[in-house]
Amino acid sequence: AQTVTQSQPEMSVQEAETVTLSCTYDTSESDYYLFWYKQPPSRQMILVIRQEAYKQQNATENRFSVNFQKAAKSFSLKISDSQLGDAAMYFCAYSTGNQFYFGTGTSLTVIP
Amino acid sequence: EAGVAQSPRYKIIEKRQSVAFWCNPISGHATLYWYQQILGQGPKLLIQFQNNGVVDDSQLPKDRFSAERLKGVDSTLKIQPAKLEDSAVYLCASSLGGGRREKLFFGSGTQLSVL
Repeated sequence: AQTVTQSQPEMSVQEAETVTLSCTYDTSESDYYLFWYKQPPSRQMILVIRQEAYKQQNATENRFSVNFQKAAKSFSLKISDSQLGDAAMYFCAYSTGNQFYFGTGTSLTVIP
Repeated sequence: EAGVAQSPRYKIIEKRQSVAFWCNPISGHATLYWYQQILGQGPKLLIQFQNNGVVDDSQLPKDRFSAERLKGVDSTLKIQPAKLEDSAVYLCASSLGGGRREKLFFGSGTQLSVL
């Protein structure tokens, strides 16, 4: 069974600093995608970044980057130069076939 | 581009009552998803439509939940009768296709409280 684990229920970071959110997953598949979604208090989830399992190069989107370790089944999100608007729930997700599996989320607080 | 529209935003009902949620996906998106998000948990897929056909409803409690997607566009999710454990946020999402690389676009959800 595919599972996604986020072991940090809550994290905090000082504004302008860097924070890393952890995610591990379990799968027997070789072809899949990994995602980080952000859910602000408005509840509308927004895609932050996407990584294809076959690509060794880590994905980056402006201040957001990932550390994808396929052998370790680890997919962490690094947020650089944290901003107040980054405060939200962050969900790691795994996709194979036509199914998506989400972790339990990490609540990120940004301290001014 | 208009996003995924959901209504109502909040709903409070008593147990054993019925409730319905509505979703209008992004125009042209073939795939529509309904997720249940219980407080403190990640979203759990209830049902996935490809156009107006059901792709996956394996986690939909069919004795009380039903969903339809009219003409492959709008969708309605119904709960009848509601139980206390149905209290959750119900998220609708859509994507252009249905593959594993698809970016999901989410609505703002309906927060359901069952008393």
